[in-house]
Amino acid sequence: GESVGLHLPTLSVQEGDNSIINCAYSNSASDYFIWYKQESGKGPQFIIDIRSNMDKRQGQRVTVLLNKTVKHLSLQIAATQPGDSAVYFCAENIGGSQGNLIFGKGTKLSVKP
Amino acid sequence: NAGVMQNPRHLVRRRGQEARLRCSPMKGHSHVYWYRQLPEEGLKFMVYLQKENIIDESGMPKERFSAEFPKEGPSILRIQQVVRGDSAAYFCASSLGGGSGEQFFGPGTRLTVL
Repeated sequence: GESVGLHLPTLSVQEGDNSIINCAYSNSASDYFIWYKQESGKGPQFIIDIRSNMDKRQGQRVTVLLNKTVKHLSLQIAATQPGDSAVYFCAENIGGSQGNLIFGKGTKLSVKP
Repeated sequence: NAGVMQNPRHLVRRRGQEARLRCSPMKGHSHVYWYRQLPEEGLKFMVYLQKENIIDESGMPKERFSAEFPKEGPSILRIQQVVRGDSAAYFCASSLGGGSGEQFFGPGTRLTVL
């Protein structure tokens, strides 16, 4: 079936290093992708999004890359900080009247001081 | 501008009881989504509502679960005759418009069924 999945369930990085979290999606009709950060006991928090007509989008310390050819999405976090420790989810939406997001399982990011 | 609000934050029910979860969307948002999250897993879509209408309930179990978003008041997710398998975190999100667009999530309601 169609699904969104992540390559790595856990990622441990040193404070100050860059982090890269990857995501594969299989629904070629998806036209909107979002990265969410979820801290323990809290709801998902929007980080950055990208539409299918773009390959790259930058925010504050974060960059999302979209490769439609191989259906791959990545989140890059520059100068990772302890406060970045959380579970990161990618989500996709096929747009149109479809409002629901399809979430991947998540990658747990641990930042070592 | 307050974010999405959910209550209660924690809910404990015994098997066979009813659970009612409430969600107040962000001010000005008329689109509400409910998701369920099991431990160590991603969120799973349940239902998408607009004021007084269910737009998509493809992710909601056919029995025991229902949702509404009345003209006035919060959206309600209702689970009748709860079973242990219903134990999960239930998140509500809201958006300004429908279709693809940013969804803002609430803090969730953690349901425990004893």
